[in-house]
Amino acid sequence: QKEVEQDPGPLSVPEGAIVSLNCTYSNSAFQYFMWYRQYSRKGPELLMYTYSSGNKEDGRFTAQVDKSSKYISLFIRDSQPSDSATYLCAMSGEGTYKYIFGTGTRLKVLA
Amino acid sequence: ETGVTQTPRHLVMGMTNKKSLKCEQHLGHNAMYWYKQSAKKPLELMFVYNFKEQTENNSVPSRFSPECPNSSHLFLHLHTLQPEDSALYLCASSQDGQGPEAFFGQGTRLTVV
Repeated sequence: QKEVEQDPGPLSVPEGAIVSLNCTYSNSAFQYFMWYRQYSRKGPELLMYTYSSGNKEDGRFTAQVDKSSKYISLFIRDSQPSDSATYLCAMSGEGTYKYIFGTGTRLKVLA
Repeated sequence: ETGVTQTPRHLVMGMTNKKSLKCEQHLGHNAMYWYKQSAKKPLELMFVYNFKEQTENNSVPSRFSPECPNSSHLFLHLHTLQPEDSALYLCASSQDGQGPEAFFGQGTRLTVV
């Protein structure tokens, strides 16, 4: 079993839709949960991160962590064509630089 | 720009060549990383330098050789690579190697022929 599982997609949605991206994990020691966005031929860009459980909101983006289910989500409200990218989840334990990444979900927002 | 600059952006090399990838960060960070990104695979951590000291070598073959002369610069020296080494090589930096905020460069697309 992989430490982090992420559906590769592609996920296609119409403009304005609410997008839900998810990752599951197996290591209960993970404390930091990150979401990166990667446009084609670019490096990953940190969108947001949460520590332990709970929600975090930043504009149209909301990150949720459910440690009891070992499940994290990223919601994108009012999705735009410019949101079309690959979204990577990443996780790490306390006090460590070892980020474990998912394979990424490719999102297409259709105008 | 993210504050992490990688050169070159693209590189084609033969299996007998020697080349180097360069990374420079302008963020005042103390930790720098090399990652490999292959199609349909998660990012693979290769090397970590924290305050110029190598703190991680993730079972990377010796044909990849990192160098970190100071906290702002990181190199990856390549020699006698194999076609399966073709990938996007990403450099990243973070404040101190313990927090969650790593900033990535644009990557070098390497093709080994």
